[in-house]
Amino acid sequence: DAGVIQSPRHEVTEMGQEVTLRCKPISGHDYLFWYRQTMMRGLELLIYFNNNVPIDDSGMPEDRFSAKMPNASFSTLKIQPSEPRDSAVYFCASRLAGGPNTGELFFGEGSRLTVL
Amino acid sequence: QKEVEQNSGPLSVPEGAIASLNCTYSDRGSQSFFWYRQYSGKSPELIMFIYSNGDKEDGRFTAQLNKASQYVSLLIRDSQPSDSATYLCAVRYGGSQGNLIFGKGTKLSVKP
Repeated sequence: DAGVIQSPRHEVTEMGQEVTLRCKPISGHDYLFWYRQTMMRGLELLIYFNNNVPIDDSGMPEDRFSAKMPNASFSTLKIQPSEPRDSAVYFCASRLAGGPNTGELFFGEGSRLTVL
Repeated sequence: QKEVEQNSGPLSVPEGAIASLNCTYSDRGSQSFFWYRQYSGKSPELIMFIYSNGDKEDGRFTAQLNKASQYVSLLIRDSQPSDSATYLCAVRYGGSQGNLIFGKGTKLSVKP
């Protein structure tokens, strides 16, 4: 079974450009999460969805960030306009609801974003 | 403010020794606790979870939970160089469907 798939793996862009990160969760998983990881702040939850509906976006740092989940197999995280401080590794993760181990998040390999 | 605190390390231990990783959390109502391992340049992967006070063993790994002290630890026995990674402690807030808050991780280095 394929894991969580993210693209692109690496993105280098210039300040002010739009960035779109993509995620395909594991088939059948009810929850999808977007995390950002930096050395300074660690792994931070940005937003999560349950059955394609955004539940909590309180971690989204600014209005420049937006996320969508148009269907159960696809989500995007968009940054517009991008800034150098957005440079980080962005992880998408998914999990099942109500399983015996509901803590197990399955992470994608991450998208490393560098904004120059 | 929900917080999960870990010593960033690096923690260096010789091969074959016991590595002890510690974590404290702020919310006394938390019920579920997790340890993830993250190799450099890779994504986090779950290695253990614990819900009840006491010890839980899985192979060379033992998770320990003390809810009264709001303290979770991970012991790795017979440490191997392949255990060298960053270990992330995560705490679930908000019930069984709540989210995980991660600590910043402790970097472990096992020297041959």
